[in-house]
Amino acid sequence: DSGVTQTPKHLITATGQRVTLRCSPRSGDLSVYWYQQSLDQGLQFLIQYYNGEERAKGNILERFSAQQFPDLHSELNLSSLELGDSALYFCASSVSWITDTQYFGPGTRLTVL
Amino acid sequence: AQTVTQSQPEMSVQEAETVTLSCTYDTSESDYYLFWYKQPPSRQMILVIRQEAYKQQNATENRFSVNFQKAAKSFSLKISDSQLGDAAMYFCAYRSPLTPPSSGSRLTFGEGTQLTVNP
Repeated sequence: DSGVTQTPKHLITATGQRVTLRCSPRSGDLSVYWYQQSLDQGLQFLIQYYNGEERAKGNILERFSAQQFPDLHSELNLSSLELGDSALYFCASSVSWITDTQYFGPGTRLTVL
Repeated sequence: AQTVTQSQPEMSVQEAETVTLSCTYDTSESDYYLFWYKQPPSRQMILVIRQEAYKQQNATENRFSVNFQKAAKSFSLKISDSQLGDAAMYFCAYRSPLTPPSSGSRLTFGEGTQLTVNP
């Protein structure tokens, strides 16, 4: 157990819908990262937050957004969902945005029908 | 942009034997971090080992060790005394230093190598 929690574990929804994925980092970690793992694109970095502020953006679609709250938990919002958004979404955390080791949560499996 | 390549989509090993997984990367940076993560059927991403580029000594964690060849941009993982529980997808990952700071500390992953351990 990495200490990073993600909810829900599984999510099934329809095209055009909006969902929110939640992540709680390890105790003491200030930085949160979101990654997407899909069959066709592998593991890709989406976005990073540090202590409530966006630090870096990767291949994140405009339909997706995220935020980190004062209690350091983070949410990834996915809207206007398409079939291709079906994937495993991971949250990871690290102590700071300088610390090199990221610890991953168990992931949320999103299925868009 | 940095790229990470794992040229072996699948590997297999007999229990108790040794196996080496390959990883190469492309970067123009001189300082960086490299990682191996393991993803078992549960899909959890588990850190196996990490290597700092400025360290010449190869990292070791119990039965797992790396062969880091900086000039060749190669970072292979050796698993000794393979166990059934080692069966998983293994990902090699690269993290650049924080220059420019706006790049954050993202991980760039390879395509993965599926390791099967035969009893």
